[in-house]
Amino acid sequence: QQQVKQSPQSLIVQKGGISIINCAYENTAFDYFPWYQQFPGKGPALLIAIRPDVSEKKEGRFTISFNKSAKQFSLHIMDSQPGDSATYFCAATQLGAGSYQLTFGKGTKLSVIP
Amino acid sequence: DTAVSQTPKYLVTQMGNDKSIKCEQNLGHDTMYWYKQDSKKFLKIMFSYNNKELIINETVPNRFSPKSPDKAHLNLHINSLELGDSAVYFCASSPLRVSTDTQYFGPGTRLTVL
Repeated sequence: QQQVKQSPQSLIVQKGGISIINCAYENTAFDYFPWYQQFPGKGPALLIAIRPDVSEKKEGRFTISFNKSAKQFSLHIMDSQPGDSATYFCAATQLGAGSYQLTFGKGTKLSVIP
Repeated sequence: DTAVSQTPKYLVTQMGNDKSIKCEQNLGHDTMYWYKQDSKKFLKIMFSYNNKELIINETVPNRFSPKSPDKAHLNLHINSLELGDSAVYFCASSPLRVSTDTQYFGPGTRLTVL
């Protein structure tokens, strides 16, 4: 099944805290896992992505942790800032010929309060 | 220097009307997409075109018809609009999918059917 389950639906974090969003997938053929960030009134934009050959990828305050055996991956936002308040979508896809479908989770609305 | 542009940004219309949304990308990408984002922020792919050929056609009503006059354009035409069509529609594009699949989203078109 081409499904990606994302939790929580909404998240409130104090400024400076750690935000954690979790995703789980079912299709073991998925081999690319991006996270998208969407601000109100804007289109989603790629934040960070990971391939399953690594267990962690870090870019600044954003880290993806990947557990292939559990078919789970998560986004950690360290030192969360009010400017991080947005909706975050995890996604998964199978790269390679013939597959152009990016399956999105249902999104997590993050609010970082000062 | 807009990457993916959509027109119009807002579209308010009556039930039963026919309307079109235009999308253009100046990134030289081969693949373009249409997504529907409902009121709960769920992003669902509708269509995908690669080099002007339809690749993905999810289970959307046949009132929705994509048209790709060239690689840089993917327009969405909707016939006999219904209340349930109210949503934000995003166009996106992506380059050749080898090791990554970064999709670049347009700003969205908010469609309201009265």
